[in-house]
Amino acid sequence: EVQLVESGGGLVQPGRSMKLSCAASGFTFSDYYMAWVRQAPKKGLEWVASISYEGSSTYYGDSVKGRFTISRDNAKSTLYLQMNSLRSEDTATYYCARQILRVYLGYFDYWGQGVMVTVSS
Amino acid sequence: DIQMTQSPSSMSASLGDTVTINCLASQDIGNYLSWYQQKPGKSPKLMIYGATNLEDGVPSRFSGSRSGSDYSLTINSLGYDDEGIYHCHQYYEYPPTFGGGTKLELK
Repeated sequence: EVQLVESGGGLVQPGRSMKLSCAASGFTFSDYYMAWVRQAPKKGLEWVASISYEGSSTYYGDSVKGRFTISRDNAKSTLYLQMNSLRSEDTATYYCARQILRVYLGYFDYWGQGVMVTVSS
Repeated sequence: DIQMTQSPSSMSASLGDTVTINCLASQDIGNYLSWYQQKPGKSPKLMIYGATNLEDGVPSRFSGSRSGSDYSLTINSLGYDDEGIYHCHQYYEYPPTFGGGTKLELK
């Protein structure tokens, strides 16, 4: 059974940093692109970042580019999101998602339960 | 960025009804469209990919279609378990974008 379990969220002050983790199981982690998608309270879904199989290629949304870094450790089957210079508008539930590649983008076939990040003083 | 305009933003229907949710892409995205169902407090669940392909385990009451840049999700024989928010998503080009969501409630 595919499982994605996020951790590391919570309350953080504006300008500070936070690192999210996503532990994957039930599939060969290195065979899939992975992504982070977020959802602000009562809002729609927003793609944040994606990473290739070995981590050599990364892609970011404009709203987080230069502040967030996606990475992965295939030996640990774990996906990460390092978030720096956090802003109030980064407040959201962050989902880890497995990405099925079609050409060079893809849809998300499995999602974690999500982790809440609140940026506030 | 490609804009995905979903309609309606919310709707109410009765048990057994057939409902259709629409998503209009601002430019050609081919069949690179997926649909997700999200229940309150839960993560999204993939329902349809490639505009018309039913994900494994999803009831055949759900179907997807395309007419040009207009994409539709149709649910037949509506049941209480179908309540939730439905999101469309284009994965034709970066950045991948989502529609604003359609909240479906049963009367």
